[in-house]
Amino acid sequence: DVKVTQSSRYLVKRTGEKVFLECVQDMDHENMFWYRQDPGLGLRLIYFSYDVKMKEKGDIPEGYSVSREKKERFSLILESASTNQTSMYLCASRDRGTTTEAFFGQGTRLTVV
Amino acid sequence: AQTVTQSQPEMSVQEAETVTLSCTYDTSESDYYLFWYKQPPSRQMILVIRQEAYKQQNATENRFSVNFQKAAKSFSLKISDSQLGDAAMYFCAYRAIQGAQKLVFGQGTRLTINP
Repeated sequence: DVKVTQSSRYLVKRTGEKVFLECVQDMDHENMFWYRQDPGLGLRLIYFSYDVKMKEKGDIPEGYSVSREKKERFSLILESASTNQTSMYLCASRDRGTTTEAFFGQGTRLTVV
Repeated sequence: AQTVTQSQPEMSVQEAETVTLSCTYDTSESDYYLFWYKQPPSRQMILVIRQEAYKQQNATENRFSVNFQKAAKSFSLKISDSQLGDAAMYFCAYRAIQGAQKLVFGQGTRLTINP
């Protein structure tokens, strides 16, 4: 079974802190994604990566950056956390190819106080 | 840009009854995939069903089926014989075949099953 693991289920950080959200997948997938989930807005794409050291901005990249130094790991970085970044963050991975499906982690609920 | 719209924030159904969740989307592409994902309280997103746009036949997975109307850009999910375990958030999603192939999600519908 494909496994996508996010390092924390719940996280509380202070405004201005630098925050790292880690995601690891164990199926050698090329594509990895970070989404943000908010009530009434669904899931919105922050960043994605289709290979090591490659990254592309999604729909809402402001205030975020990402790092992909190894194929299995995709990190989301909040350079200076703000209260409007309080949200659920979901990581996903998918193999290359048009017919493959995406697999999701269990989410990190981040609260910025 | 592609968009996905779910106009029903909440739905409820009696156990064993049938319920239909609505989804519309907008795209200029002719070939793409559509998905329904389920997110139970555990937060784990689970793929329920997938439809390839080039296939005219509606996809079916056990109690779950879709009504895919390509010209109308409509993609509804029908759940038959609803069970308590079906209670969850349901998300409709679109993915292009070309380009970035990212998933574009709707706003979600919270489904409650009444015993």
